[in-house]
Amino acid sequence: GQQLNQSPQSMFIQEGEDVSMNCTSSSIFNTWLWYKQDPGEGPVLLIALYKAGELTSNGRLTAQFGITRKDSFLNISASIPSDVGIYFCAGRGSGGSNYKLTFGKGTLLTVNP
Amino acid sequence: DGGITQSPKYLFRKEGQNVTLSCEQNLNHDAMYWYRQDPGQGLRLIYYSQIVNDFQKGDIAEGYSVSREKKESFPLTVTSAQKNPTAFYLCASRTGTGSDIQYFGAGTRLSVL
Repeated sequence: GQQLNQSPQSMFIQEGEDVSMNCTSSSIFNTWLWYKQDPGEGPVLLIALYKAGELTSNGRLTAQFGITRKDSFLNISASIPSDVGIYFCAGRGSGGSNYKLTFGKGTLLTVNP
Repeated sequence: DGGITQSPKYLFRKEGQNVTLSCEQNLNHDAMYWYRQDPGQGLRLIYYSQIVNDFQKGDIAEGYSVSREKKESFPLTVTSAQKNPTAFYLCASRTGTGSDIQYFGAGTRLSVL
């Protein structure tokens, strides 16, 4: 089946720093989604991307749908302590049903005040 | 408030026991999903349902069962055949009108006594 490689697995940063993480696939994706999961809670949608090259912002978060349609990036600017959590990418492949998403394994972000 | 409600938040299972996790949504969504989350493993699909009275196996369905008798409800039973049930279980729903976005509940943590 389709797989997503998400990196890095974890990040330790200082408050105020910018953060970048990415997901890559061996096959083309039609949709990229980015979620954040707080400890002990369910994932919450941050950004949805639908077109190659699309760049979308949500406050301090910016995500891009890669031109090759095989990758996506999430950037967080000026990190704050409440950014702590696990960030997941998810997507639907071009040959996949719109009923199922493929998820990356997550990036664990720790922010030191 | 509209949303997805999972209960209980914490659940303990004895050896040989079946347990049922509840998932209710009042979003009028057609599709519902169950995922299992283990540390460092991302989200793995157990079962999904696109409409009432229909459901499909996901990637790790063995040892689990579901029903979809009502649009709002999609309970998951962890049977005694599931030998390693300790995990965080997440329920999600999707509108079913062409959107890929899944919305998640707050999760149930299942442990074995």
